[in-house]
Amino acid sequence: LAKTTQPISMDSYEGQEVNITCSHNNIATNDYITWYQQFPSQGPRFIIQGYKTKVTNEVASLFIPADRKSSTLSLPRVSLSDTAVYYCLVARGFNAGNMLTFGGGTRLMVKP
Amino acid sequence: AAGVIQSPRHLIKEKRETATLKCYPIPRHDTVYWYQQGPGQDPQFLISFYEKMQSDKGSIPDRFSAQQFSDYHSELNMSSLELGDSALYFCASSSSGMVNNEQFFGPGTRLTVL
Repeated sequence: LAKTTQPISMDSYEGQEVNITCSHNNIATNDYITWYQQFPSQGPRFIIQGYKTKVTNEVASLFIPADRKSSTLSLPRVSLSDTAVYYCLVARGFNAGNMLTFGGGTRLMVKP
Repeated sequence: AAGVIQSPRHLIKEKRETATLKCYPIPRHDTVYWYQQGPGQDPQFLISFYEKMQSDKGSIPDRFSAQQFSDYHSELNMSSLELGDSALYFCASSSSGMVNNEQFFGPGTRLTVL
């Protein structure tokens, strides 16, 4: 699986848009980019998944350039409750049943 | 909506003892995963099962074993516990009928080995 690299930490303020970029230079053709959120002492929670271009759901957007060597998770108008660790993962295939490999996530701190 | 259930939520054991962690997946989910998260560390994949068969194996020690039963619940058996086994153990489940890699995680079992 492709190794991912993302910032160790980021700070933001309530109401701002936060963009977290992840690099995955060795991504394979059938790999998908998936983002999870984790609060302290809780299990990770799925945020969004994409293959290329842009994907948007009710909580976030995911931007993936044509070369797919990086991706950007965009959180619009963050609140204090968005303070968490965000993991970028590259997962084999698009079907369920694939293990998740968590690398170093980005610790986002949202300040009032 | 029903979530993944794990029991017990907290467990304290002595070194060299055994422990069994249980996981009840979301109804109609056929795949179960186990992850270990040590203090200040990222979750590490241990093992997974699909339709009661082992599907993937990660960094699970030989002292640990797991299985998935006919009702799809899973148990992680840990023997000869070591201090380093102290961690949060998460179970996650998913359905093979899903079109993405979304895994639903349980609340975890916090294991403390003294």
